[in-house]
Amino acid sequence: NAGVTQTPKFRVLKTGQSMTLLCAQDMNHEYMYWYRQDPGMGLRLIHYSVGEGTTAKGEVPDGYNVSRLKKQNFLLGLESAAPSQTSVYFCASSYQGGTREAFFGQGTRLTVV
Amino acid sequence: QQQVKQSPQSLIVQKGGISIINCAYENTAFDYFPWYQQFPGKGPALLIAIRPDVSEKKEGRFTISFNKSAKQFSLHIMDSQPGDSATYFCAASMKAGGTSYGKLTFGQGTILTVHP
Repeated sequence: NAGVTQTPKFRVLKTGQSMTLLCAQDMNHEYMYWYRQDPGMGLRLIHYSVGEGTTAKGEVPDGYNVSRLKKQNFLLGLESAAPSQTSVYFCASSYQGGTREAFFGQGTRLTVV
Repeated sequence: QQQVKQSPQSLIVQKGGISIINCAYENTAFDYFPWYQQFPGKGPALLIAIRPDVSEKKEGRFTISFNKSAKQFSLHIMDSQPGDSATYFCAASMKAGGTSYGKLTFGQGTILTVHP
């Protein structure tokens, strides 16, 4: 009963490097989200997806790209990392209807130096 | 623009005391107000949620009070325990299936410490 799994859990990048964060869910959820968590700012939505092959921008999308080629996976890419992208990243998923509860992964702590 | 404002930023309570965290929202289209609990190194997890057609919801020691006219809601933790020490986030979302698609707007978070 894995729920939402994020890979990797920790990463240090140099400015300008690229990387991809992987999110996988086994609950057959339609909706998936990427949030970033920064001290004193709560969680802010980066991008989201309402189904396989669809993506949309959230509140803070600049510098990030996403893809959802399979229903269970949602990838977050940083093409050219900047120190401002140092954060903890959380993936979440939820049902299309029902309770609207969002299920979160354990997070990826990213440091850009 | 922070659409959901949360206070206090941090809170220290003695074991057995009452913890109260407050949130205020601006968008009257919000119709679902959850509270999430986050332990260090973990992702947030749903604690309790309320919809605006009720003024209060209680689950065990946790109660949400909701004031629609004031656009405010709060979390009360009765008989607070050291195990309740965590970060608490209020959030809000609009109707699923419409333009919101379950997106959550979070408050800034409250770090709760319960001393034994």
